Amino acid sequence: GQQLNQSPQSMFIQEGEDVSMNCTSSSIFNTWLWYKQDPGEGPVLLIALYKAGELTSNGRLTAQFGITRKDSFLNISASIPSDVGIYFCAGREGGGADGLTFGKGTHLIIQP
Amino acid sequence: DAGVIQSPRHEVTEMGQEVTLRCKPISGHDYLFWYRQTMMRGLELLIYFNNNVPIDDSGMPEDRFSAKMPNASFSTLKIQPSEPRDSAVYFCASSPQTGRYEQYFGPGTRLTVT
Repeated sequence: GQQLNQSPQSMFIQEGEDVSMNCTSSSIFNTWLWYKQDPGEGPVLLIALYKAGELTSNGRLTAQFGITRKDSFLNISASIPSDVGIYFCAGREGGGADGLTFGKGTHLIIQP
Repeated sequence: DAGVIQSPRHEVTEMGQEVTLRCKPISGHDYLFWYRQTMMRGLELLIYFNNNVPIDDSGMPEDRFSAKMPNASFSTLKIQPSEPRDSAVYFCASSPQTGRYEQYFGPGTRLTVT
């Protein structure tokens, strides 16, 4: 089946630094979403993208839908301790409400 | 507004026993999804429903797994008989019929089969 390659797998950064992670697929996606998961909880939707080239912000988070429709990235500016967690990209090939394909996640660890 | 509700949050059972996981989607959402999360395979779609009808069950691992949605506010995922390799966190998610189909996840059920 479809696979998403998400990188990096983990990041150790200092508080206040900017963070960048990305996701690529082998085929075209019509939707990209970014989720954050805290320990013992379900993924929480951060940003959703629906058009190639779309750039969307949610506070200190910014995500972009790649022009080729095969990639997306997520940036976090001025990281704070509560940004710690696992960030997942997810994509959908179809135009409707199909199930999502998820990346393996980026584990973000912040040192104060 | 209440989010997706799942029960139980934790389940420990012995191999061979039947396990039933429960989900209540967000009110008004017409799509319901079951996912499984493991360290090895990450988050995988098992099955999803639209208006209580199963649309795609190609992710269901084998015949030991079954899912039902008897009404718009309730779904179950059943494993019978359970095996140790079924140990995972099972998530339910829902999305609306219209708009952008964003999926909202429940807190998950952590299943341990010994």
